[in-house]
Parts: sequence; structure tokens; C-alpha cells
Amino acid sequence: GQSLEQPSEVTAVEGAIVQINCTYQTSGFYGLSWYQQHDGGAPTFLSYNALDGLEETGRFSSFLSRSDSYGYLLLQELQMKDSASYFCAVEGSNYQLIWGAGTKLIIKP
Amino acid sequence: DGGITQSPKYLFRKEGQNVTLSCEQNLNHDAMYWYRQDPGQGLRLIYYSQIVNDFQKGDIAEGYSVSREKKESFPLTVTSAQKNPTAFYLCASSISHGTNTEAFFGQGTRLTVV
Repeated sequence: GQSLEQPSEVTAVEGAIVQINCTYQTSGFYGLSWYQQHDGGAPTFLSYNALDGLEETGRFSSFLSRSDSYGYLLLQELQMKDSASYFCAVEGSNYQLIWGAGTKLIIKP
Repeated sequence: DGGITQSPKYLFRKEGQNVTLSCEQNLNHDAMYWYRQDPGQGLRLIYYSQIVNDFQKGDIAEGYSVSREKKESFPLTVTSAQKNPTAFYLCASSISHGTNTEAFFGQGTRLTVV
């Protein structure tokens, strides 16, 4: 079957750096996306990786290794507003997005 | 402002009744999607539509129905055949159904069956 694995919860301190990992097993792969969702809200797009390597967008970076079926989202200079759930999603062979269960990021002052 | 709108935000339904959730977008996107999200879980695809008058079943289509008569609108009907309908429903749209397509989401409808 197709699946994505990510930690259910990660805790970090304000101002620190945190990495959220995602491993995937899918039939076909076109790209790995990351979305942020605050409690009760809608997911919002953060980043997309189709090729190996690091993509940087401000305080957020995303990494992909296709040979390892692995990616991560790196959040730097954490702020309290970054407290949210983060989802990885893989675009599979039929172009549909397959979603992970999400990682709840808890930030402590 | 362009965006995607879902209504209502909260919906209560009696068991055995059908209910329709609205989703409208003015982004001129071809593709639209309906997802279901249960507490502590990711998004599961119910239906998607790549173009007007065409739609495809997702992973959990049983007990749901959709229509796509206009590009802007993709309503979802939760029928009485859906065994466990209480959930958070999210509608999304994207420019096209393919690679590197950022999905834009509505604010969701929280459906509770009483």
C-alpha cells in the first residue's frame, strides 16, 4: 500500500530550530509537498520538492532525497505562531496527493 | 479578492438525512477536491474534478456524491448511506490536476451528526 510516516508530535523552544521528517512509500513519485494547518483552520502550502536537495523559503526549508524516499521540513528561529500541525504530501503516479497524518509542533517559550 | 469559500462553517444533521456542503472558488481553477479530516489524522480524498461536468472517486467516496455543473462550484452531498459522517470537510482547488500544483483550501465545514 501507499503510506507516509511522520512523527505525531514534536516539541521545541521559541527561537530554536526544529526538523520534521517524512518517509514515504508510494507507487510513483512526482514530488513532496509540505502544508501547515493551525487548529480549526485550513491547510496552507509551504513548499514543494521534485528534485533532490534543499529548497529554502525564508525561515522554512524543505529537503528531499528520492533514493531514500525521505524528506524533511526545517523551521528556523521558531516563533509561537509556528505552533501548528505540519503535513507532508506526496504526488503519486495518478497525480493525486497522498497525505501523512501530520506532525503537531508544540513551541514552548 | 480571489479565494475559495465553504459554507456553512458548522453544520448539524440528524441521522438519516442528506446534507449538502457548498464550495465556491473564484480563482479560475480547473481542478477541485473534497477531503475529509478526522481528529489527529491526515486528509483523505473523497472526490475530485479536473474539469466541468467530470469528476472521479477518491479513496473514500462511498456515501458521498458530488456535481460539477459550473467551474466555480463543487458541492458535496453527504448521504444517509455514509456510516460515520461526523468530520471536518475541506474543499480545495488547484490550477490543474498534475505535478507541482499548489492546492488552495477553503476554511472547512465541521459536520456533526446528532
